[in-house]
Amino acid sequence: DTGVSQNPRHKITKRGQNVTFRCDPISEHNRLYWYRQTLGQGPEFLTYFQNEAQLEKSRLLSDRFSAERPKGSFSTLEIQRTEQGDSAMYLCASSGPGRAGYGYTFGSGTRLTVV
Amino acid sequence: AQKVTQAQTEISVVEKEDVTLDCVYETRDTTYYLFWYKQPPSGELVFLIRRNSFDEQNEISGRYSWNFQKSTSSFNFTITASQVVDSAVYFCALSEANSGNTPLVFGKGTRLSVIA
Repeated sequence: DTGVSQNPRHKITKRGQNVTFRCDPISEHNRLYWYRQTLGQGPEFLTYFQNEAQLEKSRLLSDRFSAERPKGSFSTLEIQRTEQGDSAMYLCASSGPGRAGYGYTFGSGTRLTVV
Repeated sequence: AQKVTQAQTEISVVEKEDVTLDCVYETRDTTYYLFWYKQPPSGELVFLIRRNSFDEQNEISGRYSWNFQKSTSSFNFTITASQVVDSAVYFCALSEANSGNTPLVFGKGTRLSVIA
């Protein structure tokens, strides 16, 4: 299966701890996106990459959040000093080169619970 | 700025009824794409349809149909003869098309419950 893979599926952490999530996109996809989804809301854009370059960051991405995509392959999203408000589902998606509007594929997400 | 509005937060229907989910969007771009995704209780986002801004033809896929009207900036989704398996949260989304796949902007979703 060559879908988008996210690890871990679930993470419970204590407030103040750091957490890191990983996303492995579809191998030929050059764009990778991170979204956050809280209960009862739609996914909200956090940041995205084209290859290894981070093209855009949402204002939702506070200084405690950092994302990387070394070598343009997998990506990591780190949250430092977690707060209870960070509890959410973190979704990753990827899309390939070619015509715009095609090929967004989402992973199953990482559900973060901050206690 | 782009915006997607799904005014219906929750809808309940009895099995076999038809149901329409509304989506209204805002964008200043002339070229854009509209999407519908389904999110069942398991949480993954399942792609349903993609429509570009130059194609206003309605589309039908089995029990699903979509009505795109640029004049009213709407992209509504109808499920005919609903089934219990259709119960999920449905999201409408929008992306620009000027420079490759820009990030999707999602609505807040409509939770559909189909009762047997």
